[in-house]
Amino acid sequence: NAGVMQNPRHLVRRRGQEARLRCSPMKGHSHVYWYRQLPEEGLKFMVYLQKENIIDESGMPKERFSAEFPKEGPSILRIQQVVRGDSAAYFCASSPEVLGYGYTFGSGTRLTVV
Amino acid sequence: AQTVTQSQPEMSVQEAETVTLSCTYDTSENNYYLFWYKQPPSRQMILVIRQEAYKQQNATENRFSVNFQKAAKSFSLKISDSQLGDTAMYFCAFMRDQGAQKLVFGQGTRLTINP
Repeated sequence: NAGVMQNPRHLVRRRGQEARLRCSPMKGHSHVYWYRQLPEEGLKFMVYLQKENIIDESGMPKERFSAEFPKEGPSILRIQQVVRGDSAAYFCASSPEVLGYGYTFGSGTRLTVV
Repeated sequence: AQTVTQSQPEMSVQEAETVTLSCTYDTSENNYYLFWYKQPPSRQMILVIRQEAYKQQNATENRFSVNFQKAAKSFSLKISDSQLGDTAMYFCAFMRDQGAQKLVFGQGTRLTINP
């Protein structure tokens, strides 16, 4: 039973390029979350998705960031026109329907903008 | 909005000792969930222990236990017989009992276990 799979593990982008981060949830999990971790800080919520629906995107920056979880395939976090301040570790997590169970996290994608 | 505070940025103990990590939180909710996550150098976030606020009994998982004081809004983690593999960042987190299952994290405590 594979855990939450994120790829790539490391991603380097030049300023102005696009970054695409992928997340495949655990088998049987229908809820996906994205979090961002800046250096020496805790994780900050970005967006919560179910299949084909964005449930809560209150933590997403208003511009350049988008997320999707299509009917088929992984969830994608997309950052357009990246800037140096986007450099961070981006974590995906998934959970089953049961509230308060806690998440299973992926290993994260470290994005470096040069 | 809920907030989670970890007042100890760093801690260091000798192997086999017991260590307690502090966490306080602020909420007006009556029912909620609390978690401790471990983040070793590999960066993987690992769930250590969870507590349901409506349960008075403190959660335990092998060498890990919590001291949950609901009135004081305190949720400390005790690690007994500490091991070198316990070296990691530890994050306390809060989740509401309703609505989106968002975790609110504290800033973390960097724990080092010395041989």
